Amino acid sequence: QKEVEQDPGPLSVPEGAIVSLNCTYSNSAFQYFMWYRQYSRKGPELLMYTYSSGNKEDGRFTAQVDKSSKYISLFIRDSQPSDSATYLCAPGGYQKVTFGTGTKLQVIP
Amino acid sequence: EAGVAQSPRYKIIEKRQSVAFWCNPISGHATLYWYQQILGQGPKLLIQFQNNGVVDDSQLPKDRFSAERLKGVDSTLKIQPAKLEDSAVYLCASSSLAGVGLEQFFGPGTRLTVL
Repeated sequence: QKEVEQDPGPLSVPEGAIVSLNCTYSNSAFQYFMWYRQYSRKGPELLMYTYSSGNKEDGRFTAQVDKSSKYISLFIRDSQPSDSATYLCAPGGYQKVTFGTGTKLQVIP
Repeated sequence: EAGVAQSPRYKIIEKRQSVAFWCNPISGHATLYWYQQILGQGPKLLIQFQNNGVVDDSQLPKDRFSAERLKGVDSTLKIQPAKLEDSAVYLCASSSLAGVGLEQFFGPGTRLTVL
């Protein structure tokens, strides 16, 4: 079993849709839960992170963690064409993360 | 603030040849990472440095890969000899020890093709 499992997609949605991206993980020691966004031919960039279980909202993005079921989600409201990218979940600890395989998202205008 | 710099951006070599990648992290960042990202996969950590020292190189194929970080700043990653399965994007990232050190800042990567 991989440490981090992520639906690979690709996912194609119309502009304005709500997008749900999900990961599961197996390592109970993970304390921080990051989401990185990677545009084509670019390096990943941190989108947001949460610590422990619960929700965190940042504009149109909401990150959700359920440590009891080892489930991580990222929701994007009112999706825009500029959101088209690969989204990588990255749970981990201090200065070390394990990346999922990434979900490629395309938002159609 | 300047970002993480990497060179070259692209490299094509024949199998069994050698190749080297260079990374200049963000000024003041103590921690430097090298990742391998194969097409369709997430980044896989190869080696992590803190200042001059190696923190984690458990996934580095040491029979062919080597890395060094000179004076705790720039770093080079070398592959010798290259295999077809080494075709990937090699990403360098750095992070600060300040705070919880969560955010890793990535460079644009070096895309390696081994023929």
